[in-house]
Amino acid sequence: DVKVTQSSRYLVKRTGEKVFLECVQDMDHENMFWYRQDPGLGLRLIYFSYDVKMKEKGDIPEGYSVSREKKERFSLILESASTNQTSMYLCASQSAGAAYEQYFGPGTRLTVT
Amino acid sequence: AQSVTQLGSHVSVSEGALVLLRCNYSSSVPPYLFWYVQYPNQGLQLLLKYTSAATLVKGINGFEAEFKKSETSFHLTKPSAHMSDAAEYFCAVSDRGVTGNQFYFGTGTSLTVIP
Repeated sequence: DVKVTQSSRYLVKRTGEKVFLECVQDMDHENMFWYRQDPGLGLRLIYFSYDVKMKEKGDIPEGYSVSREKKERFSLILESASTNQTSMYLCASQSAGAAYEQYFGPGTRLTVT
Repeated sequence: AQSVTQLGSHVSVSEGALVLLRCNYSSSVPPYLFWYVQYPNQGLQLLLKYTSAATLVKGINGFEAEFKKSETSFHLTKPSAHMSDAAEYFCAVSDRGVTGNQFYFGTGTSLTVIP
């Protein structure tokens, strides 16, 4: 079974802190994604990556950056956390090819105070 | 551009009744379509997917969906609801154009099952 793990299930940070969210997948997938999920808005794509050291902006990249130094690991960075970044963050991985499903981690619920 | 519309943000059914969750998509190319389920405080789990084979797709937990090109729909059904089906359901379309494998998700439908 594909396993996608996220470093924390719950995280509380203060405004202005730098926040790192880590995601690791164990299936040698080429593609990895970061979403945020908010009530009534569904899932919105922040960034995605098709390969090591490659990244593409999604629909809402402002205030975020990413890093992919190894194929299995995709990190989301909040450079200076703000209260409007309080959300559920979901990581996903996928084998290359549009017919393949995305596999999701359990999510990190981030609260910025 | 791709998009997905899920009609009804909240659906309530009685235990044993038919479950029908609606999904309409827009796509400039023949789409790949997916349904996911999310239980409280968990990630998304794939229920089923359509990838241009049979138009009636069977998934896990007794769910199925039918791809109707003329209606641009991919509605999710289950003949008899169980209490364990209470969850959030998301429909998604995959972009297989030049932007690669980006998924476009609907805003979700919360299913309540009444005993």
